[in-house]
Amino acid sequence: GQNIDQPTEMTATEGAIVQINCTYQTSGFNGLFWYQQHAGEAPTFLSYNVLDGLEEKGRFSSFLSRSKGYSYLLLKELQMKDSASYLCAVKGGTGFQKLVFGTGTRLLVSP
Amino acid sequence: GAGVSQSPSNKVTEKGKDVELRCDPISGHTALYWYRQRLGQGLEFLIYFQGNSAPDKSGLPSDRFSAERTGESVSTLTIQRTQQEDSAVYLCASSPNTGSNQPQHFGDGTRLSIL
Repeated sequence: GQNIDQPTEMTATEGAIVQINCTYQTSGFNGLFWYQQHAGEAPTFLSYNVLDGLEEKGRFSSFLSRSKGYSYLLLKELQMKDSASYLCAVKGGTGFQKLVFGTGTRLLVSP
Repeated sequence: GAGVSQSPSNKVTEKGKDVELRCDPISGHTALYWYRQRLGQGLEFLIYFQGNSAPDKSGLPSDRFSAERTGESVSTLTIQRTQQEDSAVYLCASSPNTGSNQPQHFGDGTRLSIL
């Protein structure tokens, strides 16, 4: 099966940097995704990692360590609009196509 | 269409009734997923379809839940004899192919309320 853990809530200040961690256990691994979900809206894709290391995309970066079953999403120069839930999702399982989400981390950015 | 389309957007029904939720994936997308999201919680995997392969039904919570997909197009999620705990947003997502790096594109969901 697949098990994913993330902190429930985090708070940060506008302009700061925040790191959201995700640990996972999966039978079969075929990549890790991060999604952003604003309240009442559908999730939107942020990043994908399948190899170890850091992927940078503007203010957002995502890191993966497959041996540790660990990823993080790094958000720089936080803006108020970054207040949202951040979902870690792992693709794996039989056939390596089952995408399972963690419960998400609710981030509140304050002025 | 341009995106994943789900209907209805909202559904209110009485306990014990059957409901059918519809998902139109992005044209050409072979993979289709259904998730359930209860208020304030994460996405709970229900089922996924990949082309003509047998679907992965491992997330369906009970035999009251079933889903079908016609080829690589429309999918319907059916909940029979609805219970109050079925109240949630049901999200559908599709992705282009089996490529591992293909992100899922989500519809806006169907908000289901069981009275």
